[in-house]
Amino acid sequence: KQEVTQIPAALSVPEGENLVLNCSFTDSAIYNLQWFRQDPGKGLTSLLLIQSSQREQTSGRLNASLDKSSGRSTLYIAASQPGDSATYLCAVSGNTPLVFGKGTRLSVIA
Amino acid sequence: ETGVTQTPRHLVMGMTNKKSLKCEQHLGHNAMYWYKQSAKKPLELMFVYSLEERVENNSVPSRFSPECPNSSHLFLHLHTLQPEDSALYLCASSPHPGALNTEAFFGQGTRLTVV
Repeated sequence: KQEVTQIPAALSVPEGENLVLNCSFTDSAIYNLQWFRQDPGKGLTSLLLIQSSQREQTSGRLNASLDKSSGRSTLYIAASQPGDSATYLCAVSGNTPLVFGKGTRLSVIA
Repeated sequence: ETGVTQTPRHLVMGMTNKKSLKCEQHLGHNAMYWYKQSAKKPLELMFVYSLEERVENNSVPSRFSPECPNSSHLFLHLHTLQPEDSALYLCASSPHPGALNTEAFFGQGTRLTVV
């Protein structure tokens, strides 16, 4: 059974810092890994999708990497801003639909 | 705006009530999903529909009854719920379930409170 773990559970950083969020999964037989952002009480916004054959994807200040063989992904956020404050969720899909981690709650302090 | 719309956004219901959650997508996707998000727990998959046929039911109690009348609409019918069913219910859609390069899009969710 696929399990997804995200570390740290919460993170607080000053504005302008670069930061890394970590995601690990137990079954490397995945099709895709997707990073989402969730604001309090809201739905999920898709940030990046990485196919199993890809190593990384970039969108603006976000860069996500995937090491499928070791079951790891990282989300790198450059020059963090207060507007980046949210919960970031990692999810993997394979023969089963998306399986989620519990998320990392990020606070960027102005 | 993700292209997936859920109504209502908030719902308070008694344990003896019957209500329905609605989800609509205009992305031309073939798969739709219901997820439950409770405090301090990962999102839990409840139901998956592919081309209007239910393909997965993750041991969800029968007091939750899904319906998918067409590929654009998904409902979750609720009856005789318990207070522990209070949660954020999220609908999602994707081009296909379990396929390469299939990106999922989520609605804003329905915050359900059972009193």
